Amino acid sequence: DAGVIQSPRHEVTEMGQEVTLRCKPISGHDYLFWYRQTMMRGLELLIYFNNNVPIDDSGMPEDRFSAKMPNASFSTLKIQPSEPRDSAVYFCASSARTGFGNTIYFGEGSWLTVV
Amino acid sequence: DQQVKQNSPSLSVQEGRISILNCDYTNSMFDYFLWYKKYPAEGPTFLISISSIKDKNEDGRFTVFLNKSAKHLSLHIVPSQPGDSAVYFCAASEIPYYGGSQGNLIFGKGTKLSVKP
Repeated sequence: DAGVIQSPRHEVTEMGQEVTLRCKPISGHDYLFWYRQTMMRGLELLIYFNNNVPIDDSGMPEDRFSAKMPNASFSTLKIQPSEPRDSAVYFCASSARTGFGNTIYFGEGSWLTVV
Repeated sequence: DQQVKQNSPSLSVQEGRISILNCDYTNSMFDYFLWYKKYPAEGPTFLISISSIKDKNEDGRFTVFLNKSAKHLSLHIVPSQPGDSAVYFCAASEIPYYGGSQGNLIFGKGTKLSVKP
């Protein structure tokens, strides 16, 4: 039973370059979340989708960040242009609507370093 | 403005003793609370949850207590084991009502637990 799959696991890029992070949610889950983890801010929600539609993107730091979900099994988070302060671990997560509660399942994360 | 606060960034306990991790929240609309555990280089994994209709939920060595009037919850691990060493995140959400959005989880910054042999 595959969990949330993210790629790449690690990325090192130069400032100004475009970065694309990818995510495959758990099959059957209709919610997808992008989180960012930093030492200073902990786990922050960037954006989440329901049935491929973005519901809340208020956590996206600025216009350099964009996310898409073209179908139920794939999502991307893009940073263009990247900056050193974007260095963090980016987690994708998914969940299914239940009658009670909200348990989110995380991928292993994409470790981004912008130099 | 943090809605979920874990005021202790780290905690160290001896193997076999009790670990108590604390979490406070400010949003009175939160009705569902979860704890996640995170090992280095891995994603957070769900550990245990509790809803507002309960004040205690137990799963093996892990017990979560909820005090709604104080807007406080805690995770107890008894007995603590070296394998419990990880970062523990507290999270909260509003119960989805019929026809409403499921919303999302709001996480605290985490507490790093070290269990020493």
